[in-house]
Amino acid sequence: EDKVVQSPLSLVVHEGDTVTLNCSYEVTNFRSLLWYKQEKKAPTFLFMLTSSGIEKKSGRLSSILDKKELFSILNITATQTGDSAVYLCAVSTSGTYKYIFGTGTRLKVLA
Amino acid sequence: DGGITQSPKYLFRKEGQNVTLSCEQNLNHDAMYWYRQDPGQGLRLIYYSQIVNDFQKGDIAEGYSVSREKKESFPLTVTSAQKNPTAFYLCASSIGQLRGTDTQYFGPGTRLTVL
Repeated sequence: EDKVVQSPLSLVVHEGDTVTLNCSYEVTNFRSLLWYKQEKKAPTFLFMLTSSGIEKKSGRLSSILDKKELFSILNITATQTGDSAVYLCAVSTSGTYKYIFGTGTRLKVLA
Repeated sequence: DGGITQSPKYLFRKEGQNVTLSCEQNLNHDAMYWYRQDPGQGLRLIYYSQIVNDFQKGDIAEGYSVSREKKESFPLTVTSAQKNPTAFYLCASSIGQLRGTDTQYFGPGTRLTVL
């Protein structure tokens, strides 16, 4: 059975801290891994990773994929209160159009 | 503006009633999806559709039904057979793997409450 596991489930940090969120997966016919940020309602897209070892970066956020060890990490440096959200990891598989989501990591950044 | 719209934003249902959640997209995407999100849980796939007039069951399809008569529209009906329908429902679309990237775009969601 395909599955995506995220850790930790929740995390509380102070502004300025650096956090690392983890996503591991076991799927058949891996195609890509996606990270989303969900604040109140609709998840918003952050990154899509398909190749191992290539870092995607956007401002204070960065992510990397390890296809050999079947995991990805999402780093957030110099956290701000606006980073408080649930971060979702999803994996897409070839040929099925399906996306398998993890349960998410709830991040709370304290001022 | 291109995007995905869902309506209504909030929906209240009495037990035993069927209700239909609307999802429309003007992104010219081939694939559309319905997810359910419960507190503390990730997104669970209800149904998905790759092309018009075709759809497949996801992991939790029991008690739900869908149709895909138009490319832009993918309504979800929550039937009285769904035992615990109170949840947040998200609709999403993607361009489709054969045509391009895998990125899914989400609508704003419908919060369904059974009274």
